[in-house]
Amino acid sequence: EIVLTQSPGTLSLSPGERATLSCRTSQSVSSSYLAWYQQKPGQAPRLLIYGASSRATGIPDRFSGSGSGTDFSLTISRLEPEDFAVYYCQQYGSSPLTFGGGTKVEI
Amino acid sequence: QLSESGGGLVQRGGSLRLSCVDSGFSFTSYAMSWVRQAPGKGLEWVSTISDSGGNTNYAESVKGRFTISRDNSKNTLYLQVNSLRAEDTAIYYCAKALYYYDSSGYQSPYWYFALWGRGTLVTVSS
Repeated sequence: EIVLTQSPGTLSLSPGERATLSCRTSQSVSSSYLAWYQQKPGQAPRLLIYGASSRATGIPDRFSGSGSGTDFSLTISRLEPEDFAVYYCQQYGSSPLTFGGGTKVEI
Repeated sequence: QLSESGGGLVQRGGSLRLSCVDSGFSFTSYAMSWVRQAPGKGLEWVSTISDSGGNTNYAESVKGRFTISRDNSKNTLYLQVNSLRAEDTAIYYCAKALYYYDSSGYQSPYWYFALWGRGTLVTVSS
């Protein structure tokens, strides 16, 4: 099983600042089979990024993903008030599919 | 577009049947999955079924106890959950599961989750 470790656990920032979230995998994830999701309190997760760097439909371009192998990151260039949420990474290169423990981005 | 139902309070060892209705027009084109989230915890993949229903995959933690199925004529996904344990307490989300195609056109072996329902809560009491 591939273990995904997200850091930091909590990121305290202000609107307008840049956020960089990390996701490290215990084994190399082939062909960038990594996705990122956003979850707000009481809501379902929403897909942000797939293929490590491709934005999902309707996702603003302030969200970007990068990385390969075992090190991936999600960057939010300028935080908007609606971006304060929990973010999860997920690998789909091997079974079982696994998620990271999440990073909470708070004000 | 995805709407789950069927959750509730059940005793340990009991059973439930969860449903997920897709009100869109492309249900038969996608694999579908169940992902759960224990209260205050992270996300855990549970199971996926192919677009035709011919192939299924399960997490080890539910294998032999949960059964995923679909009725494409009703745009509905199901999860039969049996022999429930306290650790099965969670919100169960259904999700559209997509393959990723890289720049060479090579298909990913597994799926990411493009669209999620709002979830249905399953609570197992001891």
